[in-house]
Amino acid sequence: DIQMTQSPSTLSASVGDRVTISCRASQSISGWLAWYQQKPGKAPKLLIYKASSLESGVPSRFSGSGSGTEFTLTISSLQPDDFATYYCQQYSNFSPWTFGQGTKVEVK
Amino acid sequence: QDQLVQSGAEVKKPGSSVKVSCKASGDTFNRYSISWVRQAPGQGPEWMGRIIPSVDIPNYAQRFQGRVTITADKSTTTAYMELTSLTSEDTAVYYCARNGVASIGDNYFFYPMDVWGQGTTVTVSS
Repeated sequence: DIQMTQSPSTLSASVGDRVTISCRASQSISGWLAWYQQKPGKAPKLLIYKASSLESGVPSRFSGSGSGTEFTLTISSLQPDDFATYYCQQYSNFSPWTFGQGTKVEVK
Repeated sequence: QDQLVQSGAEVKKPGSSVKVSCKASGDTFNRYSISWVRQAPGQGPEWMGRIIPSVDIPNYAQRFQGRVTITADKSTTTAYMELTSLTSEDTAVYYCARNGVASIGDNYFFYPMDVWGQGTTVTVSS
């Protein structure tokens, strides 16, 4: 299976900060990467698909980049509603789908 | 608006089985596949498998092969996930989720999960 590794595991930030989360795949997944946001007690919410495409209804302060094995999620200006845990997920057609271990964005 | 509504929380004994349902509204069953994802306490999500209801084709993650069965009832637009031989390590929240699917010849390509159920807590305890 393809292993997904996120960094950092926890990120302390303030409202207005620019936040960057990294995700690395153990082998190339081209651009078949999604990012999700999850809040406590809730299901994950799709933010980004195909590495950089914004899901409908998701604020434009969220952006994604990367291809192959290295990917990044950026929040350009952190808002109060953005404190949550973020997961990357590869959806390659040639391997079972796998998620990263998560990055918790907490109040600094 | 399409939504997925799951069955309620379950408490099971080790060695038993659990069957979780996921009722889909809208055109989900005709145009999408349904995946099952679980999340143990404090852990990241884990994909278990999926089914394409329109053609009744399931596939499973290797680590659950032989222990999980995913089915779909088109008459009631309800998907099911049954997990057998439960242990305490199966204690988790189980989610169903919709993902787009495109057929390319005899193959299928699946898109990420854009609509999720509310989750079903399964607790395995003696």
